[in-house]
Amino acid sequence: NAGVTQTPKFQVLKTGQSMTLQCAQDMNHEYMSWYRQDPGMGLRLIHYSVGAGITDQGEVPNGYNVSRSTTEDFPLRLLSAAPSQTSVYFCASSLTSAYNEQFFGPGTRLTVL
Amino acid sequence: GQQVMQIPQYQHVQEGEDFTTYCNSSTTLSNIQWYKQRPGGHPVFLIQLVKSGEVKKQKRLTFQFGEAKKNSSLHITATQTTDVGTYFCAGPRMSGQGAQKLVFGQGTRLTINP
Repeated sequence: NAGVTQTPKFQVLKTGQSMTLQCAQDMNHEYMSWYRQDPGMGLRLIHYSVGAGITDQGEVPNGYNVSRSTTEDFPLRLLSAAPSQTSVYFCASSLTSAYNEQFFGPGTRLTVL
Repeated sequence: GQQVMQIPQYQHVQEGEDFTTYCNSSTTLSNIQWYKQRPGGHPVFLIQLVKSGEVKKQKRLTFQFGEAKKNSSLHITATQTTDVGTYFCAGPRMSGQGAQKLVFGQGTRLTINP
């Protein structure tokens, strides 16, 4: 099993550009989530999904969209990148909910100029 | 909303010294999870505590969950260089639909002088 995979590992964008961060898991997990990590701020939840076709907002959803068309994939879309979105982004999955052990992907380091 | 505070933010120790990080929640937690993130890496699950007053050990690591299920601690005995990293606690935020959001503390970054 590959676990949770994320692409790309690194990305540089210009302000106003859009892009999609990819996340996939092969563990048949129902729950998937996206976090951003900034120095001194811990991990902050952007969006989450409790199953295919179901998504909801986390703590810091503005500027981001998600969809969950399959159990395996949970892409994160930046609509119009801003320098404030410079961060490290982690995707995570778990069996059914936030109550369970979370498995994290390797992360995407995004810089917005 | 539910907040999870973690202290200290940074801790630097000599190899062989003990280390403790503390986690406090503004609300009662259904469980507390601990994660470790090595420098440049991703968070990795360490343990989950569920019961009031629960204590669990993993070799030199001791995890405690408070009686009121609002605080927790991680204690490392005789630190080694392999313990370097950032330690996070996290608690599920309960709603009518169950545990859908995981709230993380800010983390404690541990550095060790060999």
